[in-house]
Amino acid sequence: QMQLAQSGVELKKPGASVKVSCKASGYIVSNDYIAWVRQPPGQGLEYMGRINFHSGAKKYMQKFQDRLIFTADTSTKMATMDLGSLTFEDTAVYYCARGLSRFDSWGQGTLVTVSS
Amino acid sequence: QSALTQPASVSASPGQSITISCVGTDSDIGAYNLVSWFQQYTDKAPKVIIFDVRDRPSGVSYRFSGSKSGNTASLTISRLQAEDEATYYCSSFTIDSTVVFGGGTKLTVL
Repeated sequence: QMQLAQSGVELKKPGASVKVSCKASGYIVSNDYIAWVRQPPGQGLEYMGRINFHSGAKKYMQKFQDRLIFTADTSTKMATMDLGSLTFEDTAVYYCARGLSRFDSWGQGTLVTVSS
Repeated sequence: QSALTQPASVSASPGQSITISCVGTDSDIGAYNLVSWFQQYTDKAPKVIIFDVRDRPSGVSYRFSGSKSGNTASLTISRLQAEDEATYYCSSFTIDSTVVFGGGTKLTVL
């Protein structure tokens, strides 16, 4: 079973960018996807998109299209999410999760706080 | 893509059974048998308890079961226990090749 470990807490100012990393342990198969899901304080889960670990194919939710970048490196088993032009509404816990829709492994979450 | 519709809260006593509904559309729940359910405790990451409508991952209690009819998916928890108190989210793959979540249902075990 793949395990995912994420980078630590981030505090950013409005307009800045944040990069969250997600390191996988265990065997990565060719059709493994890493999805990114965020959860604002006290709210529900929001799907942001995904990346295929091997092919690098990406799918972004349209609302993030212009300011979101996913990367994945099979040699380091590291996936990253880079979100730019941050606003207060981007304050959330960001999770990486394995799979297309099953999401059978989750990272521990990374709190990103946007504050002036 | 609008969120799937779940009741905000549900409560029941230990030993009872509850069912949480998750209403979608022809573009998500109705399109594929790719509905998942997640259990989330406060300040913890979600954990999958049902995938592909009715399959349970290894280690998840038999008391959790899933089903689907048309555009509505359901999660049933039988023989409620105190440890089941958590927030439950449904999700579905969509025809846009994305995933949509429900708003979450907070389960209180009385």
